[in-house]
Amino acid sequence: AQSVAQPEDQVNVAEGNPLTVKCTYSVSGNPYLFWYVQYPNRGLQFLLKYITGDNLVKGSYGFEAEFNKSQTSFHLKKPSALVSDSALYFCAVRDRANAGKSTFGDGTTLTVKP
Amino acid sequence: EAGVAQSPRYKIIEKRQSVAFWCNPISGHATLYWYQQILGQGPKLLIQFQNNGVVDDSQLPKDRFSAERLKGVDSTLKIQPAKLEDSAVYLCASSPLGQGVNNEQFFGPGTRLTVL
Repeated sequence: AQSVAQPEDQVNVAEGNPLTVKCTYSVSGNPYLFWYVQYPNRGLQFLLKYITGDNLVKGSYGFEAEFNKSQTSFHLKKPSALVSDSALYFCAVRDRANAGKSTFGDGTTLTVKP
Repeated sequence: EAGVAQSPRYKIIEKRQSVAFWCNPISGHATLYWYQQILGQGPKLLIQFQNNGVVDDSQLPKDRFSAERLKGVDSTLKIQPAKLEDSAVYLCASSPLGQGVNNEQFFGPGTRLTVL
């Protein structure tokens, strides 16, 4: 069965500092990996995805993520955090071999302090 | 373009009552998903449609939950009878068929269900 782990419930960083939100996954076939963000009282929004090719993927709002096959990880990063980045972040995996079924992690709350 | 529409936004019912949620996906999106998001957890896929056919409903509690997408456009999710543990946000999402399963999903605002 496929699964996603986000080991940190909460990540706190100071504005201007780099941020990392961690994600590891387990899937039998080739993974398609996604990051979504959920702002208060708003629906989930797509940030970026890894399908194939370059291990470093760039997405919306200056975010990027690095796919590491050997460590089965897909950590979300940003070089310089903004207060407006404070939100709930979800990692998700889809397995092409499993009809594309989506599995989400339980989310990480990012708080960026001024 | 208009986003994924869901209604109602909030619903409060008593246990053993029935409830229905409606979703209208983004125009042209062939794939529609229903998720259950319990507080403090990530979304859990309940059912996935491609056009009007079911792709995956392995996590749908079929003794009480049902869903349909008769014309391959909008969809209804029903719970009958509801239990306390069904209290959650029910999310609808859609994605284009296009490149297949590597497409991102577009989410609606969700319906917050409280079962008393």
